[in-house]
Amino acid sequence: GENVEQHPSTLSVQEGDSAVIKCTYSDSASNYFPWYKQELGKRPQLIIDIRSNVGEKKDQRIAVTLNKTAKHFSLHITETQPEDSAVYFCAASGTYKYIFGTGTRLKVLA
Amino acid sequence: KAGVTQTPRYLIKTRGQQVTLSCSPISGHRSVSWYQQTPGQGLQFLFEYFSETQRNKGNFPGRFSGRQFSNSRSEMNVSTLELGDSALYLCASSLPPASGGTYEQYFGPGTRLTVT
Repeated sequence: GENVEQHPSTLSVQEGDSAVIKCTYSDSASNYFPWYKQELGKRPQLIIDIRSNVGEKKDQRIAVTLNKTAKHFSLHITETQPEDSAVYFCAASGTYKYIFGTGTRLKVLA
Repeated sequence: KAGVTQTPRYLIKTRGQQVTLSCSPISGHRSVSWYQQTPGQGLQFLFEYFSETQRNKGNFPGRFSGRQFSNSRSEMNVSTLELGDSALYLCASSLPPASGGTYEQYFGPGTRLTVT
């Protein structure tokens, strides 16, 4: 069935370093790839997304890359700050549904 | 513009009971999706509704059902509750193209269901 694999499950980085989270999807029909940040006790918040006709997108300190051939997409956070600490979810969207990765718990150490 | 709202925020039910959760989407959004979030399984897709029609559903037993009203508000129902149904139930709304193109989803705060 359709699935999205997300790695790593936990990631600790020093403040100011970069963090990279990777996802692989299986459904070739997927054409939209959002990333969500979920802080403890809060709802998932959309932080960046990319569509299948784009290879890279950047928004300040965060960027997402997509390799459709390999069915890989990644989230890059540069100059990490303590407030970046949260769980990050990737998702792949095809026909009227999202399939989410299992999440990455990012800890930014001050 | 008000965000997605869900009621109730917390529920405690006993095994065998049934429960109904409600979701009000962002004004103008016509698609509502439901997800179950658990620590071990992450976010699992339950179903998606658009214009009162279920367009897709995930791999959940028939005890999980939903519906959407003409004002786009949605409810989900779980019958014969099991301990394993304890989870955070999230709904998300979006303003999709009717033809099913890509769309951004915005989540509600969730309903925390505990089954004892």
